[in-house]
Amino acid sequence: KNEVEQSPQNLTAQEGEFITINCSYSVGISALHWLQQHPGGGIVSLFMLSSGKKKHGRLIATINIQEKHSSLHITASHPRDSAVYICAVHNTDKLIFGTGTRLQVFP
Amino acid sequence: ETGVTQTPRHLVMGMTNKKSLKCEQHLGHNAMYWYKQSAKKPLELMFVYSLEERVENNSVPSRFSPECPNSSHLFLHLHTLQPEDSALYLCASSQTSGGSYEQYFGPGTRLTVT
Repeated sequence: KNEVEQSPQNLTAQEGEFITINCSYSVGISALHWLQQHPGGGIVSLFMLSSGKKKHGRLIATINIQEKHSSLHITASHPRDSAVYICAVHNTDKLIFGTGTRLQVFP
Repeated sequence: ETGVTQTPRHLVMGMTNKKSLKCEQHLGHNAMYWYKQSAKKPLELMFVYSLEERVENNSVPSRFSPECPNSSHLFLHLHTLQPEDSALYLCASSQTSGGSYEQYFGPGTRLTVT
């Protein structure tokens, strides 16, 4: 069992839909990252959070430290949001990654 | 553009070849990382260099040999690879002081071993 689990593994949506991707972890963490990986392979950091909630444009990330759970929400989804979203937790000095959620948004 | 560049972006090599992957960061960071991303698996940390010293080596086969000549450059030397080594190899950098954990990733090198 992975120390970082994401659900769902694959997600399809129609443009405009509200999207939620979940991440659960089983280790102690100092921070949690949400990353976006486009088909070309490059990874971009979306959020780093250790408590509460952060918002950037149409993206919202929340974390519940007690429940060891984080969610990434996308409001008014758009085809350009299609990517793999990866949750990673910072444990001691290393990042532990989930397997990612592949999102496809259709017009 | 994250400030981390990798070359080449794509590489096809035979099992008897020797090649090197290059990573360069322009962010003034003091730590650099090599990750391997295989299909349907989480990113796997291969090596960590902090202040140009290797501080982590996660049981990576000796056919992968890292080199960090200075804090801005990181190489991964490849020798007699196997087809299962085909993957996306990602470089990242971070600043380990000041309580910052954020890593900045390069675009990756897509490696195919034939």
